[in-house]
Formats: sequence, structure tokens, C-alpha cells
Amino acid sequence: DIQMTQSPSSLSASVGDRVTITCRASQTVSSYLNWYQQKPGEAPKALIYAASTLQSGVPSRFSGSGSGTDFTLTISSLQPEDCATYYCQQTYNIPTTFGQGTKVEI
Amino acid sequence: QVQLQESGPGLVKPSQTLSLTCTVSGGSISSGGYYWSWIRQRPGQGLEWIGYIHYSGGTSFNPALKSRVTISIDTSKKQFSLKLSSLTAADTAMYYCARYNLPGYCSGGACYNWFDPWGQGSQVTVSS
Repeated sequence: DIQMTQSPSSLSASVGDRVTITCRASQTVSSYLNWYQQKPGEAPKALIYAASTLQSGVPSRFSGSGSGTDFTLTISSLQPEDCATYYCQQTYNIPTTFGQGTKVEI
Repeated sequence: QVQLQESGPGLVKPSQTLSLTCTVSGGSISSGGYYWSWIRQRPGQGLEWIGYIHYSGGTSFNPALKSRVTISIDTSKKQFSLKLSSLTAADTAMYYCARYNLPGYCSGGACYNWFDPWGQGSQVTVSS
């Protein structure tokens, strides 16, 4: 299985800060990389697919980049409603696998 | 818009079989471009894909769980179900159902897939 490793596991930032989360795959996943946002008590929500394409309705302050093994999720100006845990997921190989999550707090 | 809702017992005894059902509303379960999936989240851990089923009956499972998993679909009821056998405490988790778009968004010879939407989740505790 492809192992997905996220860093940091948690972070605290202020409103308006630029926040960057990284995701590293144990082998190449090309651009088959998704990001999800999970708010407390809620189901995960799809944010980004194909490493950098925003899902419909996702605010433009979110962006994704990377290919191969190294990826980043950036929130350009953190908002209170962005408090959540963020997960990366590779769909390059079966089984699809997820990172362990990064908790973002304000 | 499509919504998914899990249902099933919250407490199951060790060695028994877990049965969960996901009901689909607001859309068709028989759309060719989707696979209906189960994912779990164990306490303090990340997300783990269990498996998925197409309305035609085609399935795929996580090899780590394959020997214990059955996924079935009832298109007339717009439901799909998960059975997980030989339960242990390690199977205690929040279980989610979700829709997986397959082949998904295709561009330049590559097709990209993701889970969306998800159900709210069903907490399952394995304990005697």
C-alpha cells in the first residue's frame, strides 16, 4: 500500500495567516491526489482533486500544488470557518489511502 | 442533491458480524459513473477505505479487510450495505458511506476520482 504522511499533525494560526500543509507519498502518485476538509462532528468534504483543482464551491483561498510524491495544501488567508482537520488521499493505486490528518486551529 | 445516510447498531459483540446500511436520497443509485463506498475512521487514526460496489454488482475491497467484508446493493430500495465479520475491538470506528465517481473527471488520458458526498457516519463500538 502507498503510505501518505502529512505534516504537521496539528497547527495553530491566526485569522488572516497563510497556512501550508504538506503531504508526502511513499511512492509516486503522479497527480492522483485529493484533499478533504473535516469539521468537528461532520463528515469529510471534498476540497481539491487532481492535486490542484478546486471542487465547485470551494473558496479561492484554498489551493493545492505538487506532483509525484510531494504535495501541499495552502490556505492563503485563514478564516475562522477553516478550523478543521485536513486529509490527503491518493487514488493512484488500490487500495486508495489517506494521510493521518492535519488539525488546523485558530 | 444526493444525500447518504448510514444506519445500523451502535454496539456489537466481539466475534459477531457488523451490518450497516446506507440509504441514498436525492439521486439515482443506478448511475453508471459511481461506486458506492464504505470508509471507516478508527479513534485517533486516519481514514481507511473498506470497499465499494457498482449498481451492476461489481466490487472492489481493501486487501487488508477483504476476507471479512461483504458489500451488497439493493437498487429498488436505493440502499447498499456493509457486512464485516469476526469483529474485534480494533474494528471500533466511525463508519461512513460515500459515493465514489469512477471513472470520474477525465482529461488528457488521466481520470481523477474522489469521494463525494459522504454520509454523516455511524459510530460502531465492538465490546462485550
